Amino acid sequence: AQTVTQSQPEMSVQEAETVTLSCTYDTSENNYYLFWYKQPPSRQMILVIRQEAYKQQNATENRFSVNFQKAAKSFSLKISDSQLGDTAMYFCAFMSFGGAQKLVFGQGTRLTINP
Amino acid sequence: EADIYQTPRYLVIGTGKKITLECSQTMGHDKMYWYQQDPGMELHLIHYSYGVNSTEKGDLSSESTVSRIRTEHFPLTLESARPSHTSQYLCASSSLAGVSYNEQFFGPGTRLTVL
Repeated sequence: AQTVTQSQPEMSVQEAETVTLSCTYDTSENNYYLFWYKQPPSRQMILVIRQEAYKQQNATENRFSVNFQKAAKSFSLKISDSQLGDTAMYFCAFMSFGGAQKLVFGQGTRLTINP
Repeated sequence: EADIYQTPRYLVIGTGKKITLECSQTMGHDKMYWYQQDPGMELHLIHYSYGVNSTEKGDLSSESTVSRIRTEHFPLTLESARPSHTSQYLCASSSLAGVSYNEQFFGPGTRLTVL
């Protein structure tokens, strides 16, 4: 079974700073997807960024980028020029290729952006 | 935000009551999912469905049951609520179209408290 580990329960940075959230995972599969989801306080979970394991290039979405290290099974999220609206719980998640497409989540990192 | 709705948003109920948590989506998605999330913790998949008349158990054992009579509707029922059922329940949906990955869209969640 796959497992996802986020070792940083909480992080706090000042607005406009860059912050990196860590995630490691364990799987014996070669093809899979990795995600970062954002869950703002009392709001819906939304997808931040996605990485396909077969792609060597790291995914980027505006201020959000990932550092995907397949051999090390590491998948960190970098948020540049952080904004107050980035305050949220961030979950790293794994999905096998094909099949039921079930998401396996990490424990989450509570990120606070301070003014 | 995604067109997936959950009602009620908050529910406080006594032990032994039967409850149904509603989830509906207007995106025509075939796949639907129920996740359970304790406060500040990761999400665990408890049920999913590929389409009408399809229901499957998730990775986390749950005393709840689900049904899928209509594509847009995926209710979750607890026949006899207990304090151990206190949690947040998140519904999600995704399309079956395509051969690889389809994004899961999440509802706002129902926060259930059983006294």
